[in-house]
Parts: sequence; structure tokens; C-alpha cells
Amino acid sequence: EPEVTQTPSHQVTQMGQEVILRCVPISNHLYFYWYRQILGQKVEFLVSFYNNEISEKSEIFDDQFSVERPDGSNFTLKIRSTKLEDSAMYFCASSELSGSTGELFFGEGSRLTVL
Amino acid sequence: RKEVEQDPGPFNVPEGATVAFNCTYSNSASQSFFWYRQDCRKEPKLLMSVYSSGNEDGRFTAQLNRASQYISLLIRDSKLSDSATYLCVVNVRNNNDMRFGAGTRLTVKP
Repeated sequence: EPEVTQTPSHQVTQMGQEVILRCVPISNHLYFYWYRQILGQKVEFLVSFYNNEISEKSEIFDDQFSVERPDGSNFTLKIRSTKLEDSAMYFCASSELSGSTGELFFGEGSRLTVL
Repeated sequence: RKEVEQDPGPFNVPEGATVAFNCTYSNSASQSFFWYRQDCRKEPKLLMSVYSSGNEDGRFTAQLNRASQYISLLIRDSKLSDSATYLCVVNVRNNNDMRFGAGTRLTVKP
């Protein structure tokens, strides 16, 4: 069964460092998403991406965050200068149809720990 | 009102019990509603979509009440394997911005 894959599974970084989280969405999917989940809290929407541009972003997705689809398969989330409060599980998701009509398929997540 | 709000639980029920969860949403124009399931430290997975007329999938029944702006999930004949956190997801602005509720934790005990 096709799946969304994410790397790394766990990254530890120092505050102020740049981090890039990588995702390979399901190959025929057109919509891509990043969510995060701070330990013990809810899943929070960060950004959605379609047709090589951001389609929606939340109030959390500030100038420290950026997304890119550098080639035909990868979808990346960059955090420019990490803060302690960025520590969370980051989930990538993809969908064949827009989020309002299609199932979101999530990767297993990348756990980010900022020290 | 929060965009998507759920009773956090926890719900602790015996095997075989029937349990129901509610979720309220703030935007009356929302059109798309889903229930996801999240096991501990795992990614969310779609349980079922919620249609206007209500829908059933085996032991699971989902309902939508637009007038009161809530959706519900009913689980009949609970199994141990139903133990998980159930997440209400609503497309709050009718685009690719899917918002999750905080989740309702269910534990089914033998």
C-alpha cells in the first residue's frame, strides 16, 4: 500500500539552528500538508501546498517556517532558527483530492527536539 | 467558541459497551467533516467521513447536526482494539485548511 514517508524520524538540535524535515508524499497525490503535535496536545495545522505554492497557512506558520517541493517527489519543511517551543512531532500528509473532499494520508512523523 | 471542540474524556468503558463522542465546530459554513483515529504516539488515520444524512460503517455511526453545529461518533459493541484517541476534523474555511479537535481519549477495558 502506498504510504507517506518522512525523514528523519527523530532530530535533536540546538536552539537557533536551522532544521529541514523531509517528506515523500504518495506519488499521485496533488495536495500536501504539514501539521505539528506538541506532546500531549492537539494536532495543529501549519500549511497546505498545491500546484507548487502555499494554498493555506495557519497563524503558527510565521516567517521562521518555509516549505518547498524541490523536485518531483520531496516536500520539505524548513525551520530557520529553531526555538524551544518548536519541539514537537511534525506530520506530513498528502491527499489526492483537496482536503475538503479527500482523505489525508499521514506519515509516521518526525520528532523534533530543540535543546 | 473554538474552531473545533471535543470533550477530551477520557472515556473508560467495558468491552461491549456503546460509547458516543460529540464535536462542535464554530463556522456554520463548514462543509466537510471527518473522524480520525490516533493511537498513542502514532499518526492520525481516517476512520470515516461524516455525510449530511449520517453514515454507518460496521459498528461505527457518524452523524451531522448542522443546526447545532456538531458531529457525533457512536461506537457499538466496543472492542479492546478501539482504545485510541478519536479526532474530529473539520474543514473550517472550506479550503485546504483542515482543523483538528483536541481529541477524545477512549479506553476499552476487558
